[in-house]
Amino acid sequence: KAGVTQTPRYLIKTRGQQVTLSCSPISGHRSVSWYQQTPGQGLQFLFEYFSETQRNKGNFPGRFSGRQFSNSRSEMNVSTLELGDSALYLCASSPRGTDTGELFFGEGSRLTVL
Amino acid sequence: SQQGEEDPQALSIQEGENATMNCSYKTSINNLQWYRQNSGRGLVHLILIRSNEREKHSGRLRVTLDTSKKSSSLLITASRAADTASYFCATDDNTNAGKSTFGDGTTLTVKP
Repeated sequence: KAGVTQTPRYLIKTRGQQVTLSCSPISGHRSVSWYQQTPGQGLQFLFEYFSETQRNKGNFPGRFSGRQFSNSRSEMNVSTLELGDSALYLCASSPRGTDTGELFFGEGSRLTVL
Repeated sequence: SQQGEEDPQALSIQEGENATMNCSYKTSINNLQWYRQNSGRGLVHLILIRSNEREKHSGRLRVTLDTSKKSSSLLITASRAADTASYFCATDDNTNAGKSTFGDGTTLTVKP
């Protein structure tokens, strides 16, 4: 089975721009969650989608948004980029429904904002 | 702050020694998981322990869970240079469907 695929792996943007990151989960996994990882704040939960519905959202401003498609693929978007948005963005998929369990992570998208 | 706090922040040992990392959390949980992350890469799941379990083993890994103290420990026995990585605990609870809360991590360096 193919693992979780995130694209792009690396990208550089300037302040004020927007960015869209993509995540393809493991086949059959219906839950996709997103995390932001920075040296100062560690791993911070952004949001989680299950069957195209956002079930939970972390404490991030409205500039951070996401969605999930009917094939479980997910995208997250960050608008009006700020320097502090520079981070490794990790996507994880899981077969879990109402129960929790193992997360399968992609390699991440490293965003640099100049 | 993060649900999980890990201790120590950094640990350096010689190959062959055992490494112990601790994780504390704040709320009631369904389960606790440990993950490993090699520098700049994605996280890899190591082991999951449910709230009604006290100890679990997987190869050279041993995890304990004390729900009365809201703490867990990860022991890696006979460490190898390849175990050099950051280790994170993550908790899942009843009230936040789909959300795992990660600790700050312990950076382990195993010297050959």
